[in-house]
Amino acid sequence: EPEVTQTPSHQVTQMGQEVILRCVPISNHLYFYWYRQILGQKVEFLVSFYNNEISEKSEIFDDQFSVERPDGSNFTLKIRSTKLEDSAMYFCASSGDRKNTEAFFGQGTRLTVV
Amino acid sequence: AQSVAQPEDQVNVAEGNPLTVKCTYSVSGNPYLFWYVQYPNRGLQFLLKYITGDNLVKGSYGFEAEFNKSQTSFHLKKPSALVSDSALYFCAVRDAPTGNQFYFGTGTSLTVIP
Repeated sequence: EPEVTQTPSHQVTQMGQEVILRCVPISNHLYFYWYRQILGQKVEFLVSFYNNEISEKSEIFDDQFSVERPDGSNFTLKIRSTKLEDSAMYFCASSGDRKNTEAFFGQGTRLTVV
Repeated sequence: AQSVAQPEDQVNVAEGNPLTVKCTYSVSGNPYLFWYVQYPNRGLQFLLKYITGDNLVKGSYGFEAEFNKSQTSFHLKKPSALVSDSALYFCAVRDAPTGNQFYFGTGTSLTVIP
């Protein structure tokens, strides 16, 4: 069964450093998402990406964040100048080309900013 | 604005008893509704969805959910709970046909007591 894969599974970084979280969505999907979940809290939407551009983003997704689909398979989330409060589990998801399809989530990357 | 509410942070049920995890939604148009389950240190796993048609939808692992338009609810149910059903459950909504992102509830922690 196709799945969304994320790397790394765990990333530890020092405050102020840049991190790149990587995702390989399901190959025939057209919508891509990043969500985050701070420990014990709700799943928060960051950004959606469609047709090689951001289609929606939340207030969380400020200038510190960027996304890219560099090669048609990978979908990356870059966080510049990380802060302690960026520590969370980051989930990548993808869904098909119809609005009635569910999103498939990766296993997540646990980001710890120290 | 689109939103989902899960009024119960925690639900406890005895093994073998029926379980219900509640969800209500608010969307501007017709909703696409989803349930996901999250096991510890794992990603979100799709359980079932309501798009149109029969109000009772069946999904994975014996779960089902009932769409009630008048009450704007989409409660998750299972006739007989298993200890292995213990997990975090998230309800999500996608605003059809224009919305891209999935809006998640705050999650309900289900504990099935042996």
